[in-house]
Amino acid sequence: AQTVTQSQPEMSVQEAETVTLSCTYDTSENNYYLFWYKQPPSRQMILVIRQEAYKQQNATENRFSVNFQKAAKSFSLKISDSQLGDTAMYFCAFHNFGNEKLTFGTGTRLTIIP
Amino acid sequence: GAGVSQSPSNKVTEKGKDVELRCDPISGHTALYWYRQSLGQGLEFLIYFQGNSAPDKSGLPSDRFSAERTGGSVSTLTIQRTQQEDSAVYLCASSLNAVSNQPQHFGDGTRLSIL
Repeated sequence: AQTVTQSQPEMSVQEAETVTLSCTYDTSENNYYLFWYKQPPSRQMILVIRQEAYKQQNATENRFSVNFQKAAKSFSLKISDSQLGDTAMYFCAFHNFGNEKLTFGTGTRLTIIP
Repeated sequence: GAGVSQSPSNKVTEKGKDVELRCDPISGHTALYWYRQSLGQGLEFLIYFQGNSAPDKSGLPSDRFSAERTGGSVSTLTIQRTQQEDSAVYLCASSLNAVSNQPQHFGDGTRLSIL
């Protein structure tokens, strides 16, 4: 079974700073997908970024980028120039090819301080 | 709107009652997923549908939980004889189809509170 671990329950940074959220996972599979979702107080889960395991290049979406280390089974999220609207819970998720459910970590609560 | 719609937004009920939670996926999405989020926890997979079929029901915690989907669209998650441990936020998601590279789009969830 796959597991996803987020070891930072809470983090806070000053506005405009850069912050990195960590995520590790455990799987014996070779083909899979990794995601970061953001959950603001509104409860809706919003897709931030995704990475296909077969791609060596790290995914980037504007201020959000990942550091995908397949051998180490690590998938961290970097938020550059953080903004107040980035305050939310962030969940790392794993999606195995052929097994369609998402397996989530327990989340990191990120607070951006004005 | 064009997003995943869930109703009710909040539900408070007494222990032992049955509840029905509804999910209306994004138009054209053939795959639909149910997850449960307990306080301070990540999301726990319950069940998913491809069309009207449920290939994976492995996450349903007990036989008190059931789900159906009709017409390849709206889905209903039913919890019978509710218990206090059923209190959680129930989230629904849909994707274009049940293929791993298709992102899942989530609704706002139903917060269920069992008294």
